[in-house]
Amino acid sequence: DTGVSQDPRHKITKRGQNVTFRCDPISEHNRLYWYRQTLGQGPEFLTYFQNEAQLEKSRLLSDRFSAERPKGSFSTLEIQRTEQGDSAMYLCASRQPLAGTYNEQFFGPGTRLTVL
Amino acid sequence: RKEVEQDPGPFNVPEGATVAFNCTYSNSASQSFFWYRQDCRKEPKLLMSVYSSGNEDGRFTAQLNRASQYISLLIRDSKLSDSATYLCVVNLNDYKLSFGAGTTVTVRA
Repeated sequence: DTGVSQDPRHKITKRGQNVTFRCDPISEHNRLYWYRQTLGQGPEFLTYFQNEAQLEKSRLLSDRFSAERPKGSFSTLEIQRTEQGDSAMYLCASRQPLAGTYNEQFFGPGTRLTVL
Repeated sequence: RKEVEQDPGPFNVPEGATVAFNCTYSNSASQSFFWYRQDCRKEPKLLMSVYSSGNEDGRFTAQLNRASQYISLLIRDSKLSDSATYLCVVNLNDYKLSFGAGTTVTVRA
């Protein structure tokens, strides 16, 4: 499978614990995005990377959230001291370098987080 | 005000029917527009881009009205497999996609 992959697919944790998710983008895609989706809502932008540089972070990304893409390939999203409000689907997407106006983002299957 | 607003539906239609729905966006500087499809508990997938001149892809027709800041999607000859949530998506700049909450379509036999 050459699509975007995410691990784990499901995570159940207790409030106050730290969790880390991984995203492996499509190999030639230099842009990587993280989104959060709650029930009944569309995905909300969290942050994005171009290669290893984190270029933008949403105000949704509190100081308990940190994302990295150390070698410009896979990315991790860590949530510290999880809260019940963090329960959501965390989606990763990647995109090839901009070519004209074509800018489709390809999404991974997501990591569903449940905080008890 | 949300950046992208959609009628959540659900739209329940029989097979073979035509269904259409809109979304509105608030930022007049938005650059590009898309419809994504999301099946239950799956990731969103691009259905089609939306161009100012309007565009078709098989049974799907998308329209963009920049003056009124709305986007529409029409599905002709609905199939059972068209049952999904359709997300209206607006590209504000080089990196950020803004998603609507989605319109649910259920096609019944």
